[in-house]
Formats: sequence, structure tokens, C-alpha cells
Amino acid sequence: EVQMVESGGGLVKPGGSLRLSCAASGFTFSSYSMNWVRQAPGKGLEWVSSMSSSSSHIYYANSVKGRFTISRDNAKNSLDLQMNSLRAEDTAVYYCASERYEAFDIWGQGTMVTVSS
Amino acid sequence: QSVLTQPPSVSAAPGQKVTISCSGGSSNIGNNYVSWYQQLPGTAPKLLIYENNKRPSGIPDRFSGSKSGTSATLGITGLQTGDEADYYCGTWDSSLSAGLFGGGTKLTVL
Repeated sequence: EVQMVESGGGLVKPGGSLRLSCAASGFTFSSYSMNWVRQAPGKGLEWVSSMSSSSSHIYYANSVKGRFTISRDNAKNSLDLQMNSLRAEDTAVYYCASERYEAFDIWGQGTMVTVSS
Repeated sequence: QSVLTQPPSVSAAPGQKVTISCSGGSSNIGNNYVSWYQQLPGTAPKLLIYENNKRPSGIPDRFSGSKSGTSATLGITGLQTGDEADYYCGTWDSSLSAGLFGGGTKLTVL
């Protein structure tokens, strides 16, 4: 079965750090670009970051640039998102999603990140 | 304010057809593929359309996509109550080097 499972979400104080992980299975993880997409409570989808299959191309949304770092381990079929200097506006459900044909085709169930004092 | 513009809501009766528009610019929709996603309440988004008009395996042909210039459209025919969801368009922006989503459209099947 093709699936992705996110973990690592939780409650963190403003200025704090959190590391999200995404475990992929059922497909050739190493062949595809991977992304993080977030959704603030009651709001729409926001693309956060993308990493190519070989890790050679990395992109970030302006809203997280310099604070978030995406990484992957193709040997472990895993994708991470290190989030530093967290702000209240980073509060959201974070989804990992694989990318094929310039679309996000497989999504995890999401992990909730709450930034609050 | 999203770079990609969608109507906040659309509605139609069961069995009818509805279209959802997504308007962008030359650096995004104009020069990149558009995809569409369905998000049922409390669930993760699901890919409906990729490369402007292609459907992944398992997506019924009631769902269709098209693109013209800097705009794209999602069409849904034979509306069912189970189609009530939020729908998002997505694409890449070559100038921003960033992914983009529309603001989302809430579909109500009356």
C-alpha cells in the first residue's frame, strides 16, 4: 500500500524549534521530488518547501525561508522538515506530499503544529 | 491574498454541472501545468487532475480539467452530495521558484 505518515507535530512556544518527519512506503521514494504543504486552521493550502529526488534542488516559500530546512534520506524513505524560530503564523497542519507530473499525488494524513505561549 | 484566484464558493443541484475557475499569470499558469485537488472535510487533499487535464487512476470522468492562457477550469458533472468539498488549483511559479495554490473553492451541492 502506498502511504506516507507524518510525525513530530505538537505544541511549541514562539521562537522554539520542531522537527517533522514523513515516512514513505509502497513506492520508489528515491525517484520523486518531495514537498511539505501546510494548512492553517480554517484556511487554504500553502506550499512550504520542495526537494528533488537527488536533493540537488531545494526550494522554500518566502514565509519560511531562512527558518525551515527540508532534508531527505532515500535509504530510509524519509523526509524531514526542521523548523526553527517558529511563529504563531506557522500554526498549521503540515502535510508531506510526493510530486509526480508536476502535481502532488500522494499525501500523508498530516501532523498538527501549534505555536503558542 | 493568493496569486492564483478562485471563487470562494460555488453551488449547484445534484445531477447538475459546475465549473471552478483558477486565474493566474504568465509566470505560473501561463507556463506551467495546473493540477486540481479535492479536500473533503477533515481529510487530506486528494489529487483530481494533473497536467491540466489528466485524471489519476480511480478518478471518475465526471471530473475534467482545462487550461487556456493564464486560466484553468475544473469541471464536475453529475454532481453528487459526496462531491461537497473544498477544491484547490495548484501550479508552479517560475519567477518565484515556488509552488502555488489557489485560495480554494467550497462546493455546495444543494
